[in-house]
Amino acid sequence: EPEVTQTPSHQVTQMGQEVILRCVPISNHLYFYWYRQILGQKVEFLVSFYNNEISEKSEIFDDQFSVERPDGSNFTLKIRSTKLEDSAMYFCASLQGRGEQFFGPGTRLTVL
Amino acid sequence: GENVEQHPSTLSVQEGDSAVIKCTYSDSASNYFPWYKQELGKRPQLIIDIRSNVGEKKDQRIAVTLNKTAKHFSLHITETQPEDSAVYFCAATEEADKLIFGTGTRLQVFP
Repeated sequence: EPEVTQTPSHQVTQMGQEVILRCVPISNHLYFYWYRQILGQKVEFLVSFYNNEISEKSEIFDDQFSVERPDGSNFTLKIRSTKLEDSAMYFCASLQGRGEQFFGPGTRLTVL
Repeated sequence: GENVEQHPSTLSVQEGDSAVIKCTYSDSASNYFPWYKQELGKRPQLIIDIRSNVGEKKDQRIAVTLNKTAKHFSLHITETQPEDSAVYFCAATEEADKLIFGTGTRLQVFP
């Protein structure tokens, strides 16, 4: 069964550094999302992406964040200058058209 | 925007008992209501979902009910087993839109 994949599984970085989180959505899916989950809290929406552009972003998704789908398969989230409060699990999800959003296994980001 | 509230935050039951988790939503435009199970350190995994044109849906030991008028929906797990222990999240959305999650319910099933 096709799955969403994410790399790396764990990223440790210093405050102020740039990080790129990578996702490979399921191949025939059209909608792509990034969510984050701070330890022990709920899953929060960051950004949605459709037809090669951002369709919606949350207030969390400020100028430090960007997304790209550079080659038709990968979907990346970049954080330009990480802050301590960016430490969280980041999940990528994809959706074919309606119904279930399939989540990747997540990248645990630790900012020191 | 949409706001989803979920209760209780923790739930402990004896194996074989039933568990009920309740959610309310605020946006009447929401028409798709999934429930996700998340084990520690793992991804959320869909266990059941319901659309707004349906009042109830059942899949073996799991059922979901939806009251559109009152804007609430509930997850029912019968004959609970220790492997049902996890955090359960409800969510609400318009189809293909962002998921707005509830705050989660930690379910513990004691043998």
